Amino acid sequence: DAGVTQSPTHLIKTRGQQVTLRCSPKSGHDTVSWYQQALGQGPQFIFQYYEEEERQRGNFPDRFSGHQFPNYSSELNVNALLLGDSALYLCASSLEGGSPLHFGNGTRLTVT
Amino acid sequence: AQSVTQPDIHITVSEGASLELRCNYSYGATPYLFWYVQSPGQGLQLLLKYFSGDTLVQGIKGFEAEFKRSQSSFNLRKPSVHWSDAAEYFCAVGAISGGSYIPTFGRGTSLIVHP
Repeated sequence: DAGVTQSPTHLIKTRGQQVTLRCSPKSGHDTVSWYQQALGQGPQFIFQYYEEEERQRGNFPDRFSGHQFPNYSSELNVNALLLGDSALYLCASSLEGGSPLHFGNGTRLTVT
Repeated sequence: AQSVTQPDIHITVSEGASLELRCNYSYGATPYLFWYVQSPGQGLQLLLKYFSGDTLVQGIKGFEAEFKRSQSSFNLRKPSVHWSDAAEYFCAVGAISGGSYIPTFGRGTSLIVHP
């Protein structure tokens, strides 16, 4: 049973560029959440997708956007990258109705 | 708004010693509480969760946590630490919102285990 998978594992981008991160949820899960984890900090909630729509959003600018596909996989897009966007981006999946989150290993994004 | 405080940034214990990691939360109603562990370069793994009922919950890897409403705490404990327990530990509080959880995480406690 595959867990949550994220790609790529590492990424280096330049300020001002755009990036897309991908996530496949755990088998049977229909809800995907994205978190940003800066070095030495806890994960911060970016947004959550369910039924291909953004259901909840944290305190992140519109440069952060996402998408969920019919197969429940998801993408996180970040435009106009800033140095401060350097972080580990974690995807987590769950079941509608309140099951605990299952996390992937994350994508390490470095902005230079 | 919900929040979590983990007052200890680092905890150092000797292998075989007991462990207690502190977590205090702020939430208006009965919270759902979680402890996650993160090894270097890895995602977060759920250790245990409290939803309701018995306030002492058992988790994986020999961990347990106790919910104390009067103290707004959910401390994690283990009677005998193993070297492989060295990792980052995150406490989280959440509630159902729009049909799913949106946990809020603390900043984490780094556990260092000495041989």
